[in-house]
Amino acid sequence: ILNVEQSPQSLHVQEGDSTNFTCSFPSSNFYALHWYRWETAKSPEALFVMTLNGDEKKKGRISATLNTKEGYSYLYIKGSQPEDSATYLCAPGDAGNMLTFGGGTRLMVKP
Amino acid sequence: ETGVTQTPRHLVMGMTNKKSLKCEQHLGHNAMYWYKQSAKKPLELMFVYNFKEQTENNSVPSRFSPECPNSSHLFLHLHTLQPEDSALYLCASTEGLEQFFGPGTRLTVL
Repeated sequence: ILNVEQSPQSLHVQEGDSTNFTCSFPSSNFYALHWYRWETAKSPEALFVMTLNGDEKKKGRISATLNTKEGYSYLYIKGSQPEDSATYLCAPGDAGNMLTFGGGTRLMVKP
Repeated sequence: ETGVTQTPRHLVMGMTNKKSLKCEQHLGHNAMYWYKQSAKKPLELMFVYNFKEQTENNSVPSRFSPECPNSSHLFLHLHTLQPEDSALYLCASTEGLEQFFGPGTRLTVL
């Protein structure tokens, strides 16, 4: 059983602020790191899947980095908008694609 | 929309009831999953099916019984549940690394 930690647990920012979250995980049995965005009453939406140490991925104003040697990933949001308000989940997966989810970071962006 | 649907979206049941949750995907995926999210806890994997065969049972009590009749449908049969089983139950499917989730069924056990 992996211990996946996400910080902070929640975050309130103003519209236009840039922000970042952390996901830390044990590096043993690691194969891929998944980031999801989850709005209330909707399906979790896949943002990124990263496998290689040093991977960086970007989708619009959101980007993520991966360090598999030290077991962490950062998610960055540039110029936060109210529609970015959601819970952001990370989940390391093993070679069998078994994911272990962290508790999430709940982001609230005030207009 | 992810292409994964779940019914019902909300379910209230007594401890002596039998009910079933349904998940459906027409994405051509061969692996399907059941996850559970209890209050203030992370998403937790329950069951995995690959090509209709159960490949993972994450120490789930027998009052939860999964069924995968074909690669597009996954059921979770519920019987004599306890109030602590109240949670959000999510289904997911995958063909590669990325898992596509349904919106979940909010279950309340009285």
